[in-house]
Amino acid sequence: GAVVSQHPSWVICKSGTSVKIECRSLDFQATTMFWYRQFPKQSLMLMATSNEGSKATYEQGVEKDKFLINHASLTLSTLTVTSAHPEDSSFYICSARLAGGGELFFGEGSRLTVL
Amino acid sequence: AQSVTQLDSQVPVFEEAPVELRCNYSSSVSVYLFWYVQYPNQGLQLLLKYLSGSTLVESINGFEAEFNKSQTSFHLRKPSVHISDTAEYFCAVSDRRNTDKLIFGTGTRLQVFP
Repeated sequence: GAVVSQHPSWVICKSGTSVKIECRSLDFQATTMFWYRQFPKQSLMLMATSNEGSKATYEQGVEKDKFLINHASLTLSTLTVTSAHPEDSSFYICSARLAGGGELFFGEGSRLTVL
Repeated sequence: AQSVTQLDSQVPVFEEAPVELRCNYSSSVSVYLFWYVQYPNQGLQLLLKYLSGSTLVESINGFEAEFNKSQTSFHLRKPSVHISDTAEYFCAVSDRRNTDKLIFGTGTRLQVFP
């Protein structure tokens, strides 16, 4: 099946710094990518929908100035956590849908720890 | 709005035993139902899905799930598990009108022992 890769797989940063997480579709073009957040023992929560060449659509309660999403190409979307704080520590997962619709393919996730 | 409940956070079983991972959902509209599996250090992979038609759906590796509308359930079963089935299993639903938004359960960790 199609492969989606995230980088880095884990990152530790100091409070107040910004962290960028990349999501790449390795062998297909994805017009739409999705970003999720998973807190320990909780379910994956959709944060935003990222469309290539346009602004991301954020779910209710997700701060768009805090979580900057850029989908500049058909194979790359980035999530930047700005001015990270300990409460932003979480597991961030992306998924991508084949251009034209169809199955979602998920990345392996990126674990962010903010000290 | 939809919600998904996976009551069992962990399910330990011995190899070759049968297993059932429970999933219940609530929704005011018609939904599609999914089971995803996440092996260690890998992304979620679609295991099986119910869109329409037969309420019993099967995966290529022996899992099956049955959509029960009256009980709003979509339990996952396998008659005989293998060590390699050890993974985290997530149940998810989506509104048929908006398949982009998946609502996930909290996951069930299946641990198969020799």
